[in-house]
Amino acid sequence: ETGVTQSPTHLIKTRGQQVTLRCSSQSGHNTVSWYQQALGQGPQFIFQYYREEENGRGNFPPRFSGLQFPNYSSELNVNALELDDSALYLCASSVDRTMNTEAFFGQGTRLTVV
Amino acid sequence: KNEVEQSPQNLTAQEGEFITINCSYSVGISALHWLQQHPGGGIVSLFMLSSGKKKHGRLIATINIQEKHSSLHITASHPRDSAVYICAVGANFGNEKLTFGTGTRLTIIP
Repeated sequence: ETGVTQSPTHLIKTRGQQVTLRCSSQSGHNTVSWYQQALGQGPQFIFQYYREEENGRGNFPPRFSGLQFPNYSSELNVNALELDDSALYLCASSVDRTMNTEAFFGQGTRLTVV
Repeated sequence: KNEVEQSPQNLTAQEGEFITINCSYSVGISALHWLQQHPGGGIVSLFMLSSGKKKHGRLIATINIQEKHSSLHITASHPRDSAVYICAVGANFGNEKLTFGTGTRLTIIP
């Protein structure tokens, strides 16, 4: 039990649709990072939010966007879904925006785009 | 070439065997993380280290900063250890992300 909860656990969407994935972090964790994990691959960094501001972004297009809220919850939004967006989406929270502290991961949301 | 390389990619061993998984990285790092991922996806943090060695139960992690190499060892392996083990590094510049290896799939046979 990591104290990080993601919802939903599974989701099927149609190409072109929009999706919102949610993450609830541990209290006091002011940093949340989102990762995309394709089948058989390691997770790839999408972006990080620190105190409700974007604090770094990976090589993902602008149709991937996020929000972080004062209650330690966050969202990942993906517009104009493509088939290649099918993946496991993981959020990770920590007390520090550097990677020098332990990261706590959620169980992930498995998104399938058809 | 990936910034984080793991070996082996797949490992099958008998229950009770001593297991070693290796991780090499090419960037300067502030910390290295060993993570465990079970089928279904959830990731659990096993260790975070920036020098030396850490031990937790049957798990031992070591890191050699000069050689840019880390190892994860499992003593007296058990079928419940079967999982994907992932090495991830936090670089010492632009510290906002972890860079992951592709993982080592470990299967322990009873």
